[in-house]
Amino acid sequence: NAGVTQTPKFRVLKTGQSMTLLCAQDMNHEYMYWYRQDPGMGLRLIHYSVGEGTTAKGEVPDGYNVSRLKKQNFLLGLESAAPSQTSVYFCASGSGDTQYFGPGTRLTVL
Amino acid sequence: AQSVTQLGSHVSVSEGALVLLRCNYSSSVPPYLFWYVQYPNQGLQLLLKYTSAATLVKGINGFEAEFKKSETSFHLTKPSAHMSDAAEYFCAVASYSGGGADGLTFGKGTHLIIQP
Repeated sequence: NAGVTQTPKFRVLKTGQSMTLLCAQDMNHEYMYWYRQDPGMGLRLIHYSVGEGTTAKGEVPDGYNVSRLKKQNFLLGLESAAPSQTSVYFCASGSGDTQYFGPGTRLTVL
Repeated sequence: AQSVTQLGSHVSVSEGALVLLRCNYSSSVPPYLFWYVQYPNQGLQLLLKYTSAATLVKGINGFEAEFKKSETSFHLTKPSAHMSDAAEYFCAVASYSGGGADGLTFGKGTHLIIQP
């Protein structure tokens, strides 16, 4: 039982490049989430999904897109990366009142 | 709208001393409240949660928190600090609209430093 996994662990992009972050969970959870963590800001919700084929905006959705084609996967896309998107990205999944977090992806945009 | 305020971005205590990390929340509905811990270069681990049952909640690693509605507080305590408690601690409040949380609203975190 791997829990929540994230791919890749680290990535460096140039401004304007695109990339996709993958989150996978093996706990059969309906709900999945993407957060970003910035120094002194805590974690902020980017997008979330309440089930396969659904997505919804969180607090800071601009510049990101998401897809939930399969229940166990939740993808976060950056179409045109900007330096302001330099951050640590955490995926989480949950059922009921508790969320379980992945190890994070550290993204640097130059 | 919900919000969480953690008082003190850094808290330093001596090993063996009481740990007290403060959290105040704002919520228009009865809140679900959480404390998470983050060790360096790792993800978040759930310490404990309040979900409208007992107001004194016990968690892992000897931590506990008390929900006080009149003070809109959910402070985290541990009677005796250990060096391994050094980490970042986050308080969070959840919003719901069905079978699960629509997301967590986090405080900005408190970095706990343990002095030997």
